[in-house]
Amino acid sequence: SQTIHQWPATLVQPVGSPLSLECTVEGTSNPNLYWYRQAAGRGLQLLFYSVGIGQISSEVPQNLSASRPQDRQFILSSKKLLLSDSGFYLCAWNGQGATYEQYFGPGTRLTVT
Amino acid sequence: AQKVTQAQTEISVVEKEDVTLDCVYETRDTTYYLFWYKQPPSGELVFLIRRNSFDEQNEISGRYSWNFQKSTSSFNFTITASQVVDSAVYFCALRPNQAGTALIFGKGTTLSVSS
Repeated sequence: SQTIHQWPATLVQPVGSPLSLECTVEGTSNPNLYWYRQAAGRGLQLLFYSVGIGQISSEVPQNLSASRPQDRQFILSSKKLLLSDSGFYLCAWNGQGATYEQYFGPGTRLTVT
Repeated sequence: AQKVTQAQTEISVVEKEDVTLDCVYETRDTTYYLFWYKQPPSGELVFLIRRNSFDEQNEISGRYSWNFQKSTSSFNFTITASQVVDSAVYFCALRPNQAGTALIFGKGTTLSVSS
């Protein structure tokens, strides 16, 4: 069966510090991968998605970036965090075929101080 | 424009009451997919159901049921005999029929079930 992992689970970082969040998927190959952010009390905002290694589409221009160095690995990064980057970051995947629902990881709760 | 509207921000019910969560969507696609997710306090989104635009049959799964009506662009979710464990944020989502696209989520409805 497929599983999706995210780490760290929680993170407290000062403003201006770098960020690296990792997401990995097991039990499938060539998945579509997504990064979402959920601010406190708000809905989900799509940040990036990837349909393959090295292929990244950005939905929202900001100081975040994403990379997909391996088929089942998706990384969210920032060189300098802002206070507004605080939130709950969720990674998701779905298969390339007829299955369209997305499955989400456990999330990373980021607090920028 | 593609959009999902969940007009109910918060709903509070007492255990054993039935509750319906509303979802209205907008899309110009003739083929599309609709979803419901549950987000318990732990934060992880749990997939509940997917419905294809060409399948208007309603679905029942235990205490959960979904009413899909293309004529009103609605995909409502009913919980029968609610329980405290149903307390969560529920999201409705739309996926256009385009390769590599993500889900378009509504803002969510927070359901609180008290005993």
